[in-house]
Amino acid sequence: AIQMTQSPSSLSASVGDRVTITCRASQDIRNDLGWYQQKPGKAPHLLIYAASSLQSGVPSRFSGSGSGTDFTLTISSLQPEDFATYYCLQDYDYPLTFGPGTKVDIK
Amino acid sequence: QVQLVESGGGVVQPGRSLRLSCAASGFTFSRYAMHWVRQAPGKGLEWVAVISHDGSTKYYADSVTGRFTISRDNSKNTLYLQMSSLSGDDTAMYYCARVRDNGVEDLQNWGQGTLVTVSS
Repeated sequence: AIQMTQSPSSLSASVGDRVTITCRASQDIRNDLGWYQQKPGKAPHLLIYAASSLQSGVPSRFSGSGSGTDFTLTISSLQPEDFATYYCLQDYDYPLTFGPGTKVDIK
Repeated sequence: QVQLVESGGGVVQPGRSLRLSCAASGFTFSRYAMHWVRQAPGKGLEWVAVISHDGSTKYYADSVTGRFTISRDNSKNTLYLQMSSLSGDDTAMYYCARVRDNGVEDLQNWGQGTLVTVSS
């Protein structure tokens, strides 16, 4: 199975900060990667698909980049509603695998 | 609008079985592949299984292969997860999810989840 790692595992940031989260795959997955946001007690929410495509309705401060094995999620200006846990998911091959998550909390 | 409603969770003893359901509405259910994803308390997300739009193709996580069976009834707009030989490691919130479009595996729509607790 393809292994996914994320860094950092957690970070503290302030409203208005630029935040970058990294996801790495154990093998080349082309651009078959999505980013999901999850708030406590809620289901995950798709933010980015195909590594860099913004899901409909998602604010433009979210962006994704990368291909192959290295991917990045960037929040250009952190807003209060963005404090959550973020997961990457590779959908290149079965079994699909999530990264371990990055928790973004308030500094 | 798309709605996915899971049901069937509860407390079950180790070694027993349980069947989860996911009722879909607001879209043409038979056109989309569907997934199950779970999350143990305080842990990250774990993909569980997928079934193609017509039920002909299924894949599973290694951790559930041979114990869980995903299925669907397109006439009832319902997805199922039959779980057997349950253990404490299967304690989790179970979510069903719909793909964004045919041929892709982005999980665009999610249910609210149903909690399965395996305990004696």
